[in-house]
Amino acid sequence: DSGVTQTPKHLITATGQRVTLRCSPRSGDLSVYWYQQSLDQGLQFLIQYYNGEERAKGNILERFSAQQFPDLHSELNLSSLELGDSALYFCASSAGEGPYNEQFFGPGTRLTVL
Amino acid sequence: DAKTTQPTSMDCAEGRAANLPCNHSTISGNEYVYWYRQIHSQGPQYIIHGLKNNETNEMASLIITEDRKSSTLILPHATLRDTAVYYCIVRAWSMDSNYQLIWGAGTKLIIKP
Repeated sequence: DSGVTQTPKHLITATGQRVTLRCSPRSGDLSVYWYQQSLDQGLQFLIQYYNGEERAKGNILERFSAQQFPDLHSELNLSSLELGDSALYFCASSAGEGPYNEQFFGPGTRLTVL
Repeated sequence: DAKTTQPTSMDCAEGRAANLPCNHSTISGNEYVYWYRQIHSQGPQYIIHGLKNNETNEMASLIITEDRKSSTLILPHATLRDTAVYYCIVRAWSMDSNYQLIWGAGTKLIIKP
């Protein structure tokens, strides 16, 4: 158990809909990262927050947005969903803000768009 | 960023040492080598990282060649639970916000009884 929690575990929705994925980092970790993993693909970095502020942006679509709240939990919002958005979405946390820090991953949310 | 090249898959007998190679011939001086693994759609797990010197922890050893163009992750006594996809990642450490880990396809390691 990494100490990072993600909800929900599974999510099935239809094209055009909007969903919110939630992540609670390990106690004391200030950084939260979001990744997308499509079937049999490597992880694609989406975005990082550090202590409530956006720290780095990767290949995140404009239809996707995220935020980190004062209690440090984070939410990833996916809107106007398309079939291609079906994937595993992982959240990770680390103590510091640079990628040098070991990242601890949550169990993921499996999103299926029908 | 330095690109990494890993074999697509490897087999190893249980109890033997598993040696996973990674080529990063374009690595630059400030880039670290990281290894993570992912067991069947679970969240990836950090294994080890290094810059120049060889590193060892309770999970594995990391051997980096003197020219830093390649490295090898060694699992000293592989068990069936080590069956996973192993990712070799090279990334600079910097306060610049864009220096994030970039993940390739990894090596699927299968431990056989």
